[in-house]
Amino acid sequence: GDSVTQTEGLVTLTKGLPVMLNCTYQTTYSPFLFWYVQHLNEAPKLLLKSSTDNKRTEHQGFYATLHKSSSSFHLQKSSVQLSDSALYFCALSDITEGADRLTFGKGTQLIIQP
Amino acid sequence: EAAVTQSPRNKVAVTGGKVTLSCNQTNNHNNMYWYRQDTGHGLRLIHYSYGAGSTEKGDIPDGYKASRPSQENFSLILELATPSQTSVYFCASGDRLDSYEQYFGPGTRLTVL
Repeated sequence: GDSVTQTEGLVTLTKGLPVMLNCTYQTTYSPFLFWYVQHLNEAPKLLLKSSTDNKRTEHQGFYATLHKSSSSFHLQKSSVQLSDSALYFCALSDITEGADRLTFGKGTQLIIQP
Repeated sequence: EAAVTQSPRNKVAVTGGKVTLSCNQTNNHNNMYWYRQDTGHGLRLIHYSYGAGSTEKGDIPDGYKASRPSQENFSLILELATPSQTSVYFCASGDRLDSYEQYFGPGTRLTVL
């Protein structure tokens, strides 16, 4: 079955530094990848999505590129802010299968310090 | 703006009791989902639905039932609640015509004593 791996459970950074949150996936079908962000006591919200190989997608200063050759969709930001402290989930859907289900990674908690 | 609401927002139940969590969406999406969120496990899919009258098992359906009486409403039912079902439950709606994005409700915090 499909799977998503987020290698870091917790990332702590100082404000202004760059960040990369890792996401790799396994699927036998055509992938659609998502990043969701969840702030404390809130619902998850979509941050980025992509199904196009080797094309960078950006939103709110975050960016990611789907690389089908390495099955990766890492999330990056060049300069983190205090408000970026949140839980980040990578998720996978199969377009071939109708994309009606998402498989989530376990999440990466990002903590930004002053 | 897409809207998914859940009720109740907080619930305390006793072991062996019946619990019903309700979800309503005004997005006119065909698909609806129930997840639970636990530390270290991320979001795990319990049940989902393709439309009124349909329910499908997700990855962790044991101990849960679901009901989709209409396009807008999707319920999660715990017939015999157990302490292991203490968690935060999220409902979501989505549709391939909306670029596959899933919109989440605010969550229900369930405690089973």
